[in-house]
Amino acid sequence: KQEVTQIPAALSVPEGENLVLNCSFTDSAIYNLQWFRQDPGKGLTSLLLIQSSQREQTSGRLNASLDKSSGRSTLYIAASQPGDSATYLCALGSSGGSYIPTFGRGTSLIVHP
Amino acid sequence: DGGITQSPKYLFRKEGQNVTLSCEQNLNHDAMYWYRQDPGQGLRLIYYSQIVNDFQKGDIAEGYSVSREKKESFPLTVTSAQKNPTAFYLCATRLGGVSYNSPLHFGNGTRLTVT
Repeated sequence: KQEVTQIPAALSVPEGENLVLNCSFTDSAIYNLQWFRQDPGKGLTSLLLIQSSQREQTSGRLNASLDKSSGRSTLYIAASQPGDSATYLCALGSSGGSYIPTFGRGTSLIVHP
Repeated sequence: DGGITQSPKYLFRKEGQNVTLSCEQNLNHDAMYWYRQDPGQGLRLIYYSQIVNDFQKGDIAEGYSVSREKKESFPLTVTSAQKNPTAFYLCATRLGGVSYNSPLHFGNGTRLTVT
């Protein structure tokens, strides 16, 4: 069964820092990996989706990479801003039968002015 | 305006009562999912449906029931058999079918409090 771990669980940084969030997984037989953002009391907003055949995806100040051989993905946030404060979750879409996304527990990020 | 609508946003019920959470989508997506989110636990899959008139249990289906009579709708009933129903419930959809690389989309959630 796919297990997804996100480290660190919480992170507090000053505005302007570049930062890296980590997502590791145990089963490399995946269709894709998706990164989400969740604000308190809200649903999840999709940030980036990396297909199994891809190495990275970029959107604005966000860059996500995927290394299936090591079972890792990283989300890089450049020049962090207070508005980036949220919980970031990764989800793996595993292959072999029905598509059932498995989530990590998330990294809670606070960017202070 | 395409999207996923979960209603109500907040729901309060007395212990022992069944309650139904609504999830409606106009994205024309085949696959729909129900997740439960508790503090520190991440998202746990309750039920999912890949196509109309078919659904499967997830990891924590006990005490819950669903139906998928229409493509647009996937209501979740929390029964009195669910021992700890107080949680944040999230509905998600995907295009589905052979589109394995279509992204997952979420509604805004329903917070259920049972006392």
